[in-house]
Amino acid sequence: QQQVKQSPQSLIVQKGGISIINCAYENTAFDYFPWYQQFPGKGPALLIAIRPDVSEKKEGRFTISFNKSAKQFSLHIMDSQPGDSATYFCAARRTGFQKLVFGTGTRLLVSP
Amino acid sequence: GAGVSQSPSNKVTEKGKDVELRCDPISGHTALYWYRQSLGQGLEFLIYFQGNSAPDKSGLPSDRFSAERTGGSVSTLTIQRTQQEDSAVYLCASSLGPGDTEAFFGQGTRLTVV
Repeated sequence: QQQVKQSPQSLIVQKGGISIINCAYENTAFDYFPWYQQFPGKGPALLIAIRPDVSEKKEGRFTISFNKSAKQFSLHIMDSQPGDSATYFCAARRTGFQKLVFGTGTRLLVSP
Repeated sequence: GAGVSQSPSNKVTEKGKDVELRCDPISGHTALYWYRQSLGQGLEFLIYFQGNSAPDKSGLPSDRFSAERTGGSVSTLTIQRTQQEDSAVYLCASSLGPGDTEAFFGQGTRLTVV
């Protein structure tokens, strides 16, 4: 119940295309769903986050879509750029707890 | 400091030796977290500090792992009698306080046990 399942494991997208990464969870007590971006040799950095009271959040080219009934959320990267090539992690946090539960990551490669 | 600082960046140690990993959180951040990232895996929670106390140690994998935080600032993660399966990147993060949503991560310490 503490797991967050992430797919795909890796993704190749052409420049200008849309990158889509999906996550699913079981624990309905999760109330905060962030996405992190990690470049090689660096720590993860918060990209965008959503709470269950909204179905979508957009920040620039990055959008989170959230489906509470299906217990799924996804990251969409519009107009993907080579500079977006990184590993992306979804995560979830449970009410009253501080720790984040992470997905296993998606390695995105945006080809020029 | 400007960000979360971890040292050393890389550590190679022999099996059975003890290692200490250090984390300097962002100044003023009262919450501090340790995570472990194994090759091809997501981040695994180890321990959470609020101030100098650790209300959640649930992720420490064995009694060979311990952590402390002093002065509400610097934290040290100690692994005793290291094993090859301890090889991973150990990441530290800090946030302003409990309930604050954004955690800022350091660059990690890559530990290799040979």
